[in-house]
Amino acid sequence: SQTIHQWPATLVQPVGSPLSLECTVEGTSNPNLYWYRQAAGRGLQLLFYSVGIGQISSEVPQNLSASRPQDRQFILSSKKLLLSDSGFYLCAWSPRSGTGRAEAFFGQGTRLTVV
Amino acid sequence: AQSVAQPEDQVNVAEGNPLTVKCTYSVSGNPYLFWYVQYPNRGLQFLLKYITGDNLVKGSYGFEAEFNKSQTSFHLKKPSALVSDSALYFCAVRAVGYSTLTFGKGTMLLVSP
Repeated sequence: SQTIHQWPATLVQPVGSPLSLECTVEGTSNPNLYWYRQAAGRGLQLLFYSVGIGQISSEVPQNLSASRPQDRQFILSSKKLLLSDSGFYLCAWSPRSGTGRAEAFFGQGTRLTVV
Repeated sequence: AQSVAQPEDQVNVAEGNPLTVKCTYSVSGNPYLFWYVQYPNRGLQFLLKYITGDNLVKGSYGFEAEFNKSQTSFHLKKPSALVSDSALYFCAVRAVGYSTLTFGKGTMLLVSP
């Protein structure tokens, strides 16, 4: 069966510090991968998605970047965190499909607090 | 473009009563529609999806949803609510051929004993 791992679960970082959140998927190959941010416990904002190694699409220009160094690894980074980067970050994957029928599966999330 | 609207920030229902959480969507072409549930400080859990076929879709934990193409709606329903159903519910849409899901802003369901 497929599983998705996301870590750390919680993170407190000072303003101006770097960030690296990692997400890995097991039990599948060639997944679509996604990073979402959820602010104030409500709506989900798609930040980045990837359909293959080294292929990153950015939905919202901002202080963050993403990389996919391996097929099942997706990393969210920042060189200098801002207070506004605080939030709940969710990684997700879905099977590679030309029709998009499949649901996405989510990790448990990372609560980032920038102080 | 694709979008989802969840018009209610919060839905309150008594345990044992039926519940409905509303969702409307907008896409170009045929939609794939999904419902997810989120418990505090956790990731989203998939409940059910509509791809094609029967307009009434059954999912996990006794939930079901009805696809209505003319009203562009996909409301989530359950005949008898449980206190443990209290959570944040998200509707999502993906247009055919798209890679990304677009989520609504979420509806908080509160089931009182």
